[in-house]
Amino acid sequence: NAGVTQTPKFRILKIGQSMTLQCTQDMNHNYMYWYRQDPGMGLKLIYYSVGAGITDKGEVPNGYNVSRSTTEDFPLRLELAAPSQTSVYFCASRHTGPEAFFGQGTRLTVV
Amino acid sequence: AQSVTQLGSHVSVSEGALVLLRCNYSSSVPPYLFWYVQYPNQGLQLLLKYTSAATLVKGINGFEAEFKKSETSFHLTKPSAHMSDAAEYFCAVSDPPGNQFYFGTGTSLTVIP
Repeated sequence: NAGVTQTPKFRILKIGQSMTLQCTQDMNHNYMYWYRQDPGMGLKLIYYSVGAGITDKGEVPNGYNVSRSTTEDFPLRLELAAPSQTSVYFCASRHTGPEAFFGQGTRLTVV
Repeated sequence: AQSVTQLGSHVSVSEGALVLLRCNYSSSVPPYLFWYVQYPNQGLQLLLKYTSAATLVKGINGFEAEFKKSETSFHLTKPSAHMSDAAEYFCAVSDPPGNQFYFGTGTSLTVIP
């Protein structure tokens, strides 16, 4: 049982490039989340999904897009990378219980 | 809107001393409350949760937290700090059914030998 798996673990991106952060979970959880973590700022919700085909914006969605075509996968897309998107990104999932389970994170640097 | 305030971004304790990490929340309805721990270069791991059952909640690694509605607090404690407790701790709140979680800014715990 792998839980929540994020790839890649590290990435350096040039300004204006695009990329997709992958997130997959094997726990059959309906709810999935994307957060970004910046020093001293805690975690901020980017997007979330309550099930396949349903997504919604969180606190800081600008510059990001998501899709949820299957229960297992919840990719996060950056279309035009900017230095302000340098951060650590965490994917999480939740079943019917209240707590969320987190992946190991993706450390993204935009230069 | 919900929010979480963690008092003290850095806390240092001696090994064997009491650990107290503070968390206050604001919520329009009785919330769910959580403490997560993050070790360096890792994801967040659930320490404990409050979901309107017992107000004193016990978690893993000897941690516990008490929900105090009158003080809108959910402070995390451990009677005796261990070197392995050094990590970043996050308090989080969500409204049932928990579609969104709101995190505090975190408290970095240092344990001094």
